[in-house]
Amino acid sequence: AQSVTQPDIHITVSEGASLELRCNYSYGATPYLFWYVQSPGQGLQLLLKYFSGDTLVQGIKGFEAEFKRSQSSFNLRKPSVHWSDAAEYFCAVDIFGNEKLTFGTGTRLTIIP
Amino acid sequence: EAQVTQNPRYLITVTGKKLTVTCSQNMNHEYMSWYRQDPGLGLRQIYYSMNVEVTDKGDVPEGYKVSRKEKRNFPLILESPSPNQTSLYFCASSFGQGADSPLHFGNGTRLTVT
Repeated sequence: AQSVTQPDIHITVSEGASLELRCNYSYGATPYLFWYVQSPGQGLQLLLKYFSGDTLVQGIKGFEAEFKRSQSSFNLRKPSVHWSDAAEYFCAVDIFGNEKLTFGTGTRLTIIP
Repeated sequence: EAQVTQNPRYLITVTGKKLTVTCSQNMNHEYMSWYRQDPGLGLRQIYYSMNVEVTDKGDVPEGYKVSRKEKRNFPLILESPSPNQTSLYFCASSFGQGADSPLHFGNGTRLTVT
């Protein structure tokens, strides 16, 4: 079955440390790929997206993600996290380019001083 | 300010009592959608609409209705709510130009059905 997997339910990182959140998908072709962030009590905000071309994508708030076709992965990274990055992060795919997103189950990020 | 507005933010109701959650966007978006978010399940699409009077089922449409009489509004209707519809609901919209048009989300409606 087609799916989006975020294997880490919860990650804790020290402020200033680097971050990598994992996302894998299982589709026959390369879908459109997204990362969204959800702060407490808020809706989802788009961090970045990948359609084609350069496999390293830059987003807002200092985040980037790398698409690796061979691994069917689209991992999110940030070199140095800030306390304000504490939130829940969702990977999503759009396989037909028709706005119908399939979301992963999310990764909750906690930042410790 | 460009936004998607949902009301109410919080709603507690009883089984069987019809309710409507409103969603309005001020960006002239053609595409609108409803999602529910449950712990461990992420967001799942309930219904979507590509334009006025055009709606279609998402992944979990049972127990829900929608309508799209105007471009800006996309209400979610629960004719006879049940406890398994207790969830956090999000409305989203976009220009509908394919994946190049990102979704804008509302701030959510937390529904509790007792």
